[in-house]
Amino acid sequence: RKEVEQDPGPFNVPEGATVAFNCTYSNSASQSFFWYRQDCRKEPKLLMSVYSSGNEDGRFTAQLNRASQYISLLIRDSKLSDSATYLCVVNALYNFNKFYFGSGTKLNVKP
Amino acid sequence: DGGITQSPKYLFRKEGQNVTLSCEQNLNHDAMYWYRQDPGQGLRLIYYSQIVNDFQKGDIAEGYSVSREKKESFPLTVTSAQKNPTAFYLCASSIDETGTLNTEAFFGQGTRLTVV
Repeated sequence: RKEVEQDPGPFNVPEGATVAFNCTYSNSASQSFFWYRQDCRKEPKLLMSVYSSGNEDGRFTAQLNRASQYISLLIRDSKLSDSATYLCVVNALYNFNKFYFGSGTKLNVKP
Repeated sequence: DGGITQSPKYLFRKEGQNVTLSCEQNLNHDAMYWYRQDPGQGLRLIYYSQIVNDFQKGDIAEGYSVSREKKESFPLTVTSAQKNPTAFYLCASSIDETGTLNTEAFFGQGTRLTVV
């Protein structure tokens, strides 16, 4: 079983829409969680960390549900520039500080 | 400015050749990682290092080798034993402080390797 699983999409949404992605992780001992954004043929860049209490950064909201072992990302008022692949990342502090990446969810925002 | 630098950005290798990908960071990070990404797929861990002169195999280490002689540098050699080396290679680093949460990984711009 993969450490981190995501729906690959693509999610095709119109500008202004609200879209949500989920990601599940397999190891209940996982401690740190992140969402990264990756543009085509570029390196991943941190979008936001995911805190236990949930956190918001502008149009982006991240939630963690430890009981069900999933992480979510909500994007409100989608912009064309939000089109990218969103990677769910889990840091295994219990396992030599390794980072486990989901395969990514592709988002296409259309005019 | 602090960051991670990978070079070259594009690399072409003939079959049977070894090639070395460079990764340098000036973030004073202890931990460094090499990942491979194939089209439409996620990142897979090749090797990682938590400290100078020590490194561990990741999930797909066969056909690759690394060294960590300096804290700032973590070069990856793709050997001729790697049967399908064409991919996008990403180097990353992070603070390695046991018990510290939310220490994210920072990435270099990647090296795109093609076998010709």
